[in-house]
Amino acid sequence: GNSVTQMEGPVTLSEEAFLTINCTYTATGYPSLFWYVQYPGEGLQLLLKATKADDKGSNKGFEATYRKETTSFHLEKGSVQVSDSAVYFCALSITDSWGKLQFGAGTQVVVTP
Amino acid sequence: GAVVSQHPSWVICKSGTSVKIECRSLDFQATTMFWYRQFPKQSLMLMATSNEGSKATYEQGVEKDKFLINHASLTLSTLTVTSAHPEDSSFYICSASGSGETQYFGPGTRLLVL
Repeated sequence: GNSVTQMEGPVTLSEEAFLTINCTYTATGYPSLFWYVQYPGEGLQLLLKATKADDKGSNKGFEATYRKETTSFHLEKGSVQVSDSAVYFCALSITDSWGKLQFGAGTQVVVTP
Repeated sequence: GAVVSQHPSWVICKSGTSVKIECRSLDFQATTMFWYRQFPKQSLMLMATSNEGSKATYEQGVEKDKFLINHASLTLSTLTVTSAHPEDSSFYICSASGSGETQYFGPGTRLLVL
């Protein structure tokens, strides 16, 4: 079956630190990969996505590269801000599955001044 | 663009009553809508997928008679929690997708059953 595994949180960082959140997946088909972010008290927002191997998704200073050989989609940001404090979800969807998303458990990130 | 709203944002009800939650795509036509449940500090669990004009497809373990889903138009889907009990208390989130595969999420509805 399909599954997504994320590193456990919370991850606590100082402002301007480098952030990495690991995400690996197992899938029977050729998935598209996503990172969603959930700010406190809000719904999920699409942060970035990649639809095929070696694609790099990027947005708001965050990047993630679709690595088929390691079945990974790690999220990175070079210099985090306090406003980046949120829960980050890695997810995959399989073509021809109506876009159903399989989410990882989520990783809480706390950025301190 | 791609805004999804939910109503109500929170609801408190007595055990045994039914609660209806609405999910609307405000600026696009949603051919597919999804309903999720999220427990505190946990991930989203997909409950069901609905396409406009057809019956919803429920995930394994989700009671279709308990969680009634109606996708009557391309901009509206409703989730009705029937005969709600305290264990149904949760955060319910809908999402919608149009012609592409990207899902756009609503802000969620917090349900508390007393």
